[in-house]
Amino acid sequence: GDSVTQMEGPVTLSEEAFLTINCTYTATGYPSLFWYVQYPGEGLQLLLKATKADDKGSNKGFEATYRKETTSFHLEKGSVQVSDSAVYFCALEAGNTPLVFGKGTRLSVIA
Amino acid sequence: GAGVSQSPRYKVAKRGQDVALRCDPISGHVSLFWYQQALGQGPEFLTYFQNEAQLDKSGLPSDRFFAERPEGSVSTLKIQRTQQEDSAVYLCASSLSGGSTDTQYFGPGTRLTVL
Repeated sequence: GDSVTQMEGPVTLSEEAFLTINCTYTATGYPSLFWYVQYPGEGLQLLLKATKADDKGSNKGFEATYRKETTSFHLEKGSVQVSDSAVYFCALEAGNTPLVFGKGTRLSVIA
Repeated sequence: GAGVSQSPRYKVAKRGQDVALRCDPISGHVSLFWYQQALGQGPEFLTYFQNEAQLDKSGLPSDRFFAERPEGSVSTLKIQRTQQEDSAVYLCASSLSGGSTDTQYFGPGTRLTVL
């Protein structure tokens, strides 16, 4: 079945450091790919998405590129802030199916 | 505008009790999803409605779990005879139409603890 694998956390970075959270997927067909973020005490929020190969999703300084050849959708940010501390979930949706999530990666950014 | 709301936010139940969790989707959203998120894990799909029709309930872990959306708006997830393994955060999400490019908007979740 469809699945998402993302790097395990926690990830701890200093403010202004470069962030990469790896995500790879297995799916039949051509899924849409998503990154969701869960800030402390809040619900899941869509951070960015890409619906076809080579698309780049971007939001709030975060970027991820849909790489069909490597079945990956790695999340990157050039300079993290303390306010980026949260849990990040990679997810896919293939056709009219529910979202399939990875296990989440907790990011802590320290000043 | 109002987002997805869920109530209660926290629920503590004794093993064997029945619980009911409510979800109010964004007004006008056709599709509604329920997910279960165990501690330290990603959300896992439970069931999906399009309007009042339950189109997929393949993720419900047992026949103790039941969901309904009788008027195509508010949904209730009911768990009968709760067990300790049911302890989790239950998330509700809604989307405008449910297509694969549609964004799902999540509520804050209900944290269920079964003692």
